[in-house]
Amino acid sequence: DAKTTQPTSMDCAEGRAANLPCNHSTISGNEYVYWYRQIHSQGPQYIIHGLKNNETNEMASLIITEDRKSSTLILPHATLRDTAVYYCIVRVVGGNNRLAFGKGNQVVVIP
Amino acid sequence: DTGVSQNPRHKITKRGQNVTFRCDPISEHNRLYWYRQTLGQGPEFLTYFQNEAQLEKSRLLSDRFSAERPKGSFSTLEIQRTEQGDSAMYLCASSLYEGLEPLHFGNGTRLTVT
Repeated sequence: DAKTTQPTSMDCAEGRAANLPCNHSTISGNEYVYWYRQIHSQGPQYIIHGLKNNETNEMASLIITEDRKSSTLILPHATLRDTAVYYCIVRVVGGNNRLAFGKGNQVVVIP
Repeated sequence: DTGVSQNPRHKITKRGQNVTFRCDPISEHNRLYWYRQTLGQGPEFLTYFQNEAQLEKSRLLSDRFSAERPKGSFSTLEIQRTEQGDSAMYLCASSLYEGLEPLHFGNGTRLTVT
């Protein structure tokens, strides 16, 4: 029951900003956008979340369009360790609070 | 490191055997989730607990699967009469029961059924 669309894969240059797109055109007013990533053989790692305002933390920035139908995760200076599957998830807050993962975007950072 | 801990990391078993996995959540987290992940797919929700109460089970959780969290701390996931289709990564996550709190995942138990 994933409600997001992401590229299947993308390459990014080491040291450059990586812009990861996500479409969530059916998002509801009480749904937040969450981003996780999963490095090979590890569990998913929380990155950032937002409702409608842009958000920034030590890992990344999240830009959400005004109509909230899409968002972009920005890794400001991609490193080889950022190679991972990135998941964009729309999450209803309240109730079971669970996350519904799609297949994600396999991001490869190239030297 | 006081993150979510899962044991064992790997388990190989023969078809028909029973297996049990353990998850130790972050200590103050009262919600605990189990997910399953097969190759090339994202994690799929199986079940979750709030304290010791199991509040929801996915249709993916067949009768051969049972999960417990007896004292509201660690949790176990048991699979009886394993089948080759049970081969997957089993992930545990925990969170505080507050709306925006993210789930924190362990590194999973990889099950191989031969």
